[in-house]
Amino acid sequence: EAGVAQSPRYKIIEKRQSVAFWCNPISGHATLYWYQQILGQGPKLLIQFQNNGVVDDSQLPKDRFSAERLKGVDSTLKIQPAKLEDSAVYLCASSLALAGAYNEQFFGPGTRLTVL
Amino acid sequence: AQKVTQAQTEISVVEKEDVTLDCVYETRDTTYYLFWYKQPPSGELVFLIRRNSFDEQNEISGRYSWNFQKSTSSFNFTITASQVVDSAVYFCALRSTSNTGKLIFGQGTTLQVKP
Repeated sequence: EAGVAQSPRYKIIEKRQSVAFWCNPISGHATLYWYQQILGQGPKLLIQFQNNGVVDDSQLPKDRFSAERLKGVDSTLKIQPAKLEDSAVYLCASSLALAGAYNEQFFGPGTRLTVL
Repeated sequence: AQKVTQAQTEISVVEKEDVTLDCVYETRDTTYYLFWYKQPPSGELVFLIRRNSFDEQNEISGRYSWNFQKSTSSFNFTITASQVVDSAVYFCALRSTSNTGKLIFGQGTTLQVKP
């Protein structure tokens, strides 16, 4: 079974530029998560989708970050414009269901963003 | 508020030594799940174990074992006879069944196993 796919793996941009990350979850997984992991810290949830609807985006900096999951499968996370403090690894995860025993989250390899 | 604390930032051991990674959590929920993940240099988070709050039995899987103690709100992870391949960052995480399922991660413990 294929895992969670993410691209690109690495991205270097200058501050104030825009960037987009792509995630393809495990087939059949209804729930998709985007986490931000700053160096030396644990991942922090940015946004969570259930199919194509947003469940939790309370920690998403909405003035510069946006995300969508239009067809309930792939997802894109965008930053516009980027700031130095956005340098981090962006992890995508998916799970079969929203809650309960089948909520185990499977993580992709992440996209490492460096903002200069 | 929910919180996970991993007080050990870095641990260095010599191969074949046993090592314990500490995890302390805070939650007001009566039902919750606890997790351990491993993050090797490649960056991908690898699931190791999940425990629910009603199951305090310790678990052993090969060289790995976990000690869950509700009385002290701790979920510690022990690696017996450590190997170089165990070198990674290890994260403890908490999920409440009352929220949307998001994981609350600790800061992580970097384990270095030297040959």
